[in-house]
Order: sequence, then C-alpha cells, then structure tokens
Amino acid sequence: AQSVTQPDIHITVSEGASLELRCNYSYGATPYLFWYVQSPGQGLQLLLKYFSGDTLVQGIKGFEAEFKRSQSSFNLRKPSVHWSDAAEYFCAVVLYNQGGKLIFGQGTELSVKP
Amino acid sequence: DTGVSQNPRHKITKRGQNVTFRCDPISEHNRLYWYRQTLGQGPEFLTYFQNEAQLEKSRLLSDRFSAERPKGSFSTLEIQRTEQGDSAMYLCASSLAGRETEAFFGQGTRLTVV
Repeated sequence: AQSVTQPDIHITVSEGASLELRCNYSYGATPYLFWYVQSPGQGLQLLLKYFSGDTLVQGIKGFEAEFKRSQSSFNLRKPSVHWSDAAEYFCAVVLYNQGGKLIFGQGTELSVKP
Repeated sequence: DTGVSQNPRHKITKRGQNVTFRCDPISEHNRLYWYRQTLGQGPEFLTYFQNEAQLEKSRLLSDRFSAERPKGSFSTLEIQRTEQGDSAMYLCASSLAGRETEAFFGQGTRLTVV
C-alpha cells in the first residue's frame, strides 16, 4: 500500500546534540518530499522540500534532509538541537499530477532536554 | 498579505449541532485544501478546490461534511449533525496551481464536540 512512515513516534535529545528523524515512503515513483514542523496548537510550517537534483537539501532553522532513492528515505537532520526545536515533525509527499494534495506520515514528537 | 487565515481558532459545540469554519487563503493562490488532524496523527486530506471548482473529495468527507468556495476566494467547511468523532483540528492550506508543491497552512480550527 502507498504510505509515508515515520517509525519513531517520540524522540528525546539533549540540547546541543545532533538529531535525525526518519521517514520512509512507499510509492512506485519518486514523489515530491517535504518536512513540516508543528508547534502545539499551531498550523504547519515548511522546513524543506525535495523535488529533484541534489539529494541533500537545506532548509530553514538549520535543518537539512537527505533523499536516498535506494532506501526510499528522506531523513531530517540537524547537527545541534536547540530547546526551541521541540515540536511535532511531519514528513509528507505529493504525488505527481495528483492536484498537490499532501500525504503525511504519523509524525515524530521531539522533546529537548536541557 | 499575512498568510492563510482560519476562523474561528477554537470551536466547542454540542453533539448534533452544525458548525461552519472559514478559510481565507493567500490572495493570489487559486488552490485551497482542507485537511483534518486528529490527536497524535498526521493531517489527512479532505478536499481541494481550484478556483471555485471542487476537484477532489476524500472518502473521509462523509455526507455530513460540505465545503464551498463560491467566488474562488475564501472557503467554508460545514459539518452537520456533529459527532464526537468529528473532534479534530481542521487545517486549511493554499497554493498556486502549477506550483502546487508549495502549500502554505493556516493555524487551524480546533473543534471539540461534547
């Protein structure tokens, strides 16, 4: 079945430590790939996106993500986490010629300890 | 333009009542999307419009739900005879067709059915 999987429901990291959030997709062709962040009670903010080309993409707030076609993955990384990064992170895809609707993973909640 | 605006931000209603939410997209955006997000889950696509035409509806959108975008600008989402299972965050997003991969989200309407 077509899906977006975020295997980690909740991750806790120490402030200043590195972070990697996992995302895998299951589609026949490479979709457009996104990472969004959501603070409690708020809407979604786009962190970064991948359409084609360089498989390492840079986003806002110091985040980056790497697309690996062989693993159908698009993992999000940050070298040094700040307390303000605590939030819910969603990986999402848009399929080509599907009207631009986003299909989201279940999300990963990030907690940051001092 | 300050982005996508949704009203109200919060709505508490009794089971069986009707509710209506409004979304004002970014002014030049011709595509508008509605998503529903339940606690601990990623947003799920409900429906989308291009201008005033509703082009796709998810099977999640039961016959108690109706969405309109009468003049191709703002949109309303109405839920009739609300049920406790309708309690969720309702998110609106907008984009430009042809650049559908860059969707901007509003802050959402939190519905609680008691």
